[in-house]
Amino acid sequence: DTAVSQTPKYLVTQMGNDKSIKCEQNLGHDTMYWYKQDSKKFLKIMFSYNNKELIINETVPNRFSPKSPDKAHLNLHINSLELGDSAVYFCASSLAGLAGVTDTQYFGPGTRLTVL
Amino acid sequence: LAKTTQPISMDSYEGQEVNITCSHNNIATNDYITWYQQFPSQGPRFIIQGYKTKVTNEVASLFIPADRKSSTLSLPRVSLSDTAVYYCLVGDTGTASKLTFGTGTRLQVTL
Repeated sequence: DTAVSQTPKYLVTQMGNDKSIKCEQNLGHDTMYWYKQDSKKFLKIMFSYNNKELIINETVPNRFSPKSPDKAHLNLHINSLELGDSAVYFCASSLAGLAGVTDTQYFGPGTRLTVL
Repeated sequence: LAKTTQPISMDSYEGQEVNITCSHNNIATNDYITWYQQFPSQGPRFIIQGYKTKVTNEVASLFIPADRKSSTLSLPRVSLSDTAVYYCLVGDTGTASKLTFGTGTRLQVTL
């Protein structure tokens, strides 16, 4: 049973293309996240959704658009891909994610995106 | 924004106890301290979390002094499979935008 799953695991594409990464969690969590881990291994949050509503939108280009059809899914769509978008993207989920509540984040296996 | 500072890397022999210290001088009153472990090509995995004093689970112990300006993750009797990057985070999930993982500590365990 995979708690947080992502597809695809690897994604190689050309500059300028549009691509999507899917994430699903079967933990019944209310909050889901997208993180980007660059080549220097810095892991930085991009978006956070709570019950299908966007609650955090860090300074990322608007070419990145998260979509949450239901609280078990948070997909990441990227338009007009650039070389600098090459990284590993991790999806995560947590039970609550609201202010004043500290809980554990469960991460997916990651999607390695390579833009050529 | 509570920034954390950890050693970039540590080496240990199998069977030894490993202590990784994290500094977080401007930790806020509501902040918890959480440690994650990340193996190559995998997502981070929760290890332990605490607010003050000592917390222990089946994997590790977390020591937090009274001023909470630092914390120490203790891994008893490490094995080769404990080779990973360990991240210290300070904050609460409600301020996830401020949950920066930083560079972490790369632990290398050898025979």
